[in-house]
Amino acid sequence: QKEVEQNSGPLSVPEGAIASLNCTYSDRGSQSFFWYRQYSGKSPELIMSIYSNGDKEDGRFTAQLNKASQYVSLLIRDSQPSDSATYLCAVIGTASKLTFGTGTRLQVTL
Amino acid sequence: GAGVSQSPRYKVAKRGQDVALRCDPISGHVSLFWYQQALGQGPEFLTYFQNEAQLDKSGLPSDRFFAERPEGSVSTLKIQRTQQEDSAVYLCASSGPQLTDTQYFGPGTRLTVL
Repeated sequence: QKEVEQNSGPLSVPEGAIASLNCTYSDRGSQSFFWYRQYSGKSPELIMSIYSNGDKEDGRFTAQLNKASQYVSLLIRDSQPSDSATYLCAVIGTASKLTFGTGTRLQVTL
Repeated sequence: GAGVSQSPRYKVAKRGQDVALRCDPISGHVSLFWYQQALGQGPEFLTYFQNEAQLDKSGLPSDRFFAERPEGSVSTLKIQRTQQEDSAVYLCASSGPQLTDTQYFGPGTRLTVL
């Protein structure tokens, strides 16, 4: 079992729709959770961090964390073509290392 | 500086050659990380420094990989006797002193071993 699992996609959503990206993790002691966006050929950039159960909103982005279910999600409202990228879920577990999933490729279509 | 910088951006090496990849972190960041990202995968942790101390090198795939940060600022990742499976993007990230601090990534070095 991979430590951080994501569906590789591609996830295709029309412009203006909500994109929902999901991630599960195996280390129950994990405390810190991150979503990074990576455009093709570029380096990852942080979108959201979340540490407590519940929702955290920042502009069009909402991160959701459920530690009991070991589940993290990212919602992107009013999706734009510029949101088309790979979204990486990352977790700091008990080994104190940032562990990434393989990423979900999002395509926002016109 | 404005962000994390890495050089070279691209490196082509013949199998068996040694390579050295450089990372210049954000000024004042005490933590520095190296990751390896294969095509279609997420970054994989290689090693971590806090200032000049290498606190975790558990992700280095073999003894051909060596990293240093002698003055607690610039870091170099060295790969000896490169193999084709070493072909990947090598990412450097820096952050504040806490492991939960946001890591800021450099543009990466794309290594191709022929």
